[in-house]
Amino acid sequence: QVQLQESGPGLVKPSQTLSLTCTVSGGSISSGGYYWSWIRQHPGKGLEWIGYIYYSGSTYYNPSLKSRVTISVDTSKNQFSLKLSSVTAADTAVYYCARWVVTATYWYFDLWGRGTLVTVSS
Amino acid sequence: QSVLTQPPSASGTPGQRVTISCSGSSSNIGSNTVNWYQQLPGTAPKLLIYSNNQRPSGVPDRFSGSKSGTSASLAISGLQSEDEADYYCAAWDDSLNRGVVFGGGTKLTVL
Repeated sequence: QVQLQESGPGLVKPSQTLSLTCTVSGGSISSGGYYWSWIRQHPGKGLEWIGYIYYSGSTYYNPSLKSRVTISVDTSKNQFSLKLSSVTAADTAVYYCARWVVTATYWYFDLWGRGTLVTVSS
Repeated sequence: QSVLTQPPSASGTPGQRVTISCSGSSSNIGSNTVNWYQQLPGTAPKLLIYSNNQRPSGVPDRFSGSKSGTSASLAISGLQSEDEADYYCAAWDDSLNRGVVFGGGTKLTVL
């Protein structure tokens, strides 16, 4: 079955760029019908949607993060990636990648990665 | 401060029925469908309810969802110890291009 796995550094220095990759296995990211999202969860807090990308490359970002976020896709590697620039301690969180099902009448995140903790600290 | 408002905690004893509320506005719950996610300790969220009241395959019918106006509710009947988890509501928000918004989460304790 389709699985998602996040990877990337667990520690990032303030003002640097956080970079994470989500590898999709068991299915093709280009199969269509799905959007690929990043969601984060601050320690002990709720969920925050970061944005999504379609395999064609079209994106949509949370306006509160838009100026610092870039989500990209590499269909040849069946991966999509997150870059968050100018990070501060407030960006310390568990970052999840998720598959987003969208139809004309409903939507939901049906598959999630296990999540990866990224700590911003010098 | 989350866009969708949930009570921070809820509790019940085994076998009881518990409801968790999610309050929003006309730009999110009032005009779009609501999903509910269950997050067990140390794990990723899991889809529990989509499109207000639809259960994905594998989710017990003890879990049900409803929506009225700008509010939604998740009901859990026949409460079990394994239901102890955090529960989040989510909706698309048409305002200010917000996109997906989540509630702050409700921690359910089974006494």
